[in-house]
Amino acid sequence: SQTIHQWPATLVQPVGSPLSLECTVEGTSNPNLYWYRQAAGRGLQLLFYSVGIGQISSEVPQNLSASRPQDRQFILSSKKLLLSDSGFYLCAWSDLADTQYFGPGTRLTVL
Amino acid sequence: DQQVKQNSPSLSVQEGRISILNCDYTNSMFDYFLWYKKYPAEGPTFLISISSIKDKNEDGRFTVFLNKSAKHLSLHIVPSQPGDSAVYFCAASSNNAGNMLTFGGGTRLMVKP
Repeated sequence: SQTIHQWPATLVQPVGSPLSLECTVEGTSNPNLYWYRQAAGRGLQLLFYSVGIGQISSEVPQNLSASRPQDRQFILSSKKLLLSDSGFYLCAWSDLADTQYFGPGTRLTVL
Repeated sequence: DQQVKQNSPSLSVQEGRISILNCDYTNSMFDYFLWYKKYPAEGPTFLISISSIKDKNEDGRFTVFLNKSAKHLSLHIVPSQPGDSAVYFCAASSNNAGNMLTFGGGTRLMVKP
């Protein structure tokens, strides 16, 4: 069966510091991968998606970036965090079907 | 412009009664709809989905209804249980858009014992 991992589970970072969140998927090949953010009291906002290694599409322009160095690894990064980057970050995967399956999420607090 | 809307931010229901969560959409190209359940500090869990060729899909206590003419879908939970208390997101996708999901803002369901 497929599983999706995210780490760290929680993170507290100062403004201006870098960020690296990692997501890995097991049990499937060539998945579509997604990064979402859930800000407090709001829905899920798609940040990035990837249909293959090195292929990244950005949905929202911001100071975040994503990379997919391996088939089942998806990384969310920032060079300098802003206060507004605080939120709950979710990674998801899907295969050829429409359903996306989510990881456990990372709670990021920028102080 | 929100293409998927959940107009009720919260809903309170007594245990054993029916919970009805509503979702409206504007994009007529959407052809697949999903419901997710989310507990605090956890990732959303897929609940149930429906294709636009159907108007109803049932899975245990959960039933999703789709009214294409009204661009409306709803999730019925019968009977509601305290463990159902969570935030519920509806989502929609279009084959033309590469199956990307567009989410509603979520509805917080509270089931009272």
